Amino acid sequence: EAQVTQNPRYLITVTGKKLTVTCSQNMNHEYMSWYRQDPGLGLRQIYYSMNVEVTDKGDVPEGYKVSRKEKRNFPLILESPSPNQTSLYFCASSSAGRVDEQFFGPGTRLTVL
Amino acid sequence: AQTVTQSQPEMSVQEAETVTLSCTYDTSESDYYLFWYKQPPSRQMILVIRQEAYKQQNATENRFSVNFQKAAKSFSLKISDSQLGDAAMYFCAYRSLNTGNQFYFGTGTSLTVIP
Repeated sequence: EAQVTQNPRYLITVTGKKLTVTCSQNMNHEYMSWYRQDPGLGLRQIYYSMNVEVTDKGDVPEGYKVSRKEKRNFPLILESPSPNQTSLYFCASSSAGRVDEQFFGPGTRLTVL
Repeated sequence: AQTVTQSQPEMSVQEAETVTLSCTYDTSESDYYLFWYKQPPSRQMILVIRQEAYKQQNATENRFSVNFQKAAKSFSLKISDSQLGDAAMYFCAYRSLNTGNQFYFGTGTSLTVIP
């Protein structure tokens, strides 16, 4: 089954404790992206990647890191999480020829205390 | 940066009726794409419809159609013959072709379908 998986689905952590949210897709997609969704703000793009070893900043990259060492994986790293990073995070992927047909993961609910 | 505005946080429609969701955007670019995405309670995002800015003809996908007014920077979604399964959060989105395929989303409109 074609899908985008994220782990963990739910995470409660404390300020400053490094964490990684994994994202993996099995569709051989070139384009992958991370978003955060906050009430009243909609979805905001954090980082995106057009292919392996190619990453670009989105609208709100501060406080986040990403890497794209393999085509299928695109982890989101929070080196020192803060409460303002409490949010619902989505990973998405799409093929290079149909970037807009993004397949979204199920979301990761992160709470930073 | 581009901005996408959805001025209707919530909308409701009677089953089988038609509803229009509004979206405006701000850009200085001439080439871009516009989209409507649907997010049901499951939280998965689903692409509903896509419009290329260079095309004058409004996109249509079954019961979903758009009214694209490029000069006015307006991109509304019309849902005809509304069904209970249409209930969801709808996001308008803009994709830049000049800044490396970056996406900008609106704040969403929550649609309720009344039986």
